[in-house]
Amino acid sequence: GENVEQHPSTLSVQEGDSAVIKCTYSDSASNYFPWYKQELGKGPQLIIDIRSNVGEKKDQRIAVTLNKTAKHFSLHITETQPEDSAVYFCAASIWTGNQFYFGTGTSLTVIP
Amino acid sequence: DGGITQSPKYLFRKEGQNVTLSCEQNLNHDAMYWYRQDPGQGLRLIYYSQIVNDFQKGDIAEGYSVSREKKESFPLTVTSAQKNPTAFYLCASSISGGTGNTQYFGPGTRLTVL
Repeated sequence: GENVEQHPSTLSVQEGDSAVIKCTYSDSASNYFPWYKQELGKGPQLIIDIRSNVGEKKDQRIAVTLNKTAKHFSLHITETQPEDSAVYFCAASIWTGNQFYFGTGTSLTVIP
Repeated sequence: DGGITQSPKYLFRKEGQNVTLSCEQNLNHDAMYWYRQDPGQGLRLIYYSQIVNDFQKGDIAEGYSVSREKKESFPLTVTSAQKNPTAFYLCASSISGGTGNTQYFGPGTRLTVL
């Protein structure tokens, strides 16, 4: 099955700096890659997603890039704010069905 | 107010008891999912259902059971056969079970076995 690896596991940045979280996947048939933000004690919330026919997608301060050849995708957050502090998860959806395979999460802390 | 609700938020169970976690959605989604989350780990799929009266095992189905009698409801039973049930349980739904459909998550239920 699919294997998704996520790095780093923890990340601290100063407010206003950028944060980058990277994920790799193993199955070249995966074609949908969402990113979720999870605050303490709550369910994950979708923040951005990308499909395999697109190389980059941006939504205000958040962007995701996908390199299908290398099988990796990254989340970029610019001008970070304290409210960006949370755990971020990447996922890959394999071609058959809608089963998501999740990375192990990155705990982001934005220092005011 | 549309969304996914899970109840209860916190649940305590004695060893050897079965317990059922509720998940309801009013999004008119066909597909529903149950995940388990342990500290420092990603979400692992327990069961999923692409349509009413049908469901499939995920990666860690042992010790769990589900039913899907209604489109809006997908309850999860944690049985006494589940050796380490203490975890945070998340329910999700998507418009269909087809590839690339966004999954939306409920707020979760934290189960603690005493």
